[in-house]
Amino acid sequence: RKEVEQDPGPFNVPEGATVAFNCTYSNSASQSFFWYRQDCRKEPKLLMSVYSSGNEDGRFTAQLNRASQYISLLIRDSKLSDSATYLCVVTADTGTASKLTFGTGTRLQVTL
Amino acid sequence: GAVVSQHPSWVICKSGTSVKIECRSLDFQATTMFWYRQFPKQSLMLMATSNEGSKATYEQGVEKDKFLINHASLTLSTLTVTSAHPEDSSFYICSATGRSSKMNNEQFFGPGTRLTVL
Repeated sequence: RKEVEQDPGPFNVPEGATVAFNCTYSNSASQSFFWYRQDCRKEPKLLMSVYSSGNEDGRFTAQLNRASQYISLLIRDSKLSDSATYLCVVTADTGTASKLTFGTGTRLQVTL
Repeated sequence: GAVVSQHPSWVICKSGTSVKIECRSLDFQATTMFWYRQFPKQSLMLMATSNEGSKATYEQGVEKDKFLINHASLTLSTLTVTSAHPEDSSFYICSATGRSSKMNNEQFFGPGTRLTVL
């Protein structure tokens, strides 16, 4: 079983739609959780951190359910520029530097 | 702030040659640097973690004699792919984290190096 599992997609949605991505992780000792965005042939960029209390940043809302080991990302009012691969990332803090474990990503394509 | 650069951005080489990739933190001191590899349509896989002035810690299945990592200063780490073969063709990405409390242990990624071995 993969440490971080995501539906690879692609999710094809029209502009303005609301889309939700899910992610599950296997290591119950995971400490920190993030969503990253990766454009084609580029490095991943931090989108937002994920907390049990929920985290909202504009059109983006992330949620963590520790009991179910489940993370979600909701994008409202999708824009063409949201087209990218969204990576679910968890860490198990080890000493002073945290090792990131990446999911394979969910590809989103927003169309006119 | 927190900019990480990589050089080269892409490289094409013949099988059997060695390729060196540089990762630099431009505006902060990187106490730890990470090297990742990403094959097409796959996730980033951590190859090794390097702390300044000490030997790198390699992940299981990564050959340390093939992927040489040097982290000689707080702003530079290098990855050398020795005797590269076509199966080493991949996107290599480094990240760095600094000791400043403002950085909050966040990893800042370089733009990646695309290696193609013919």
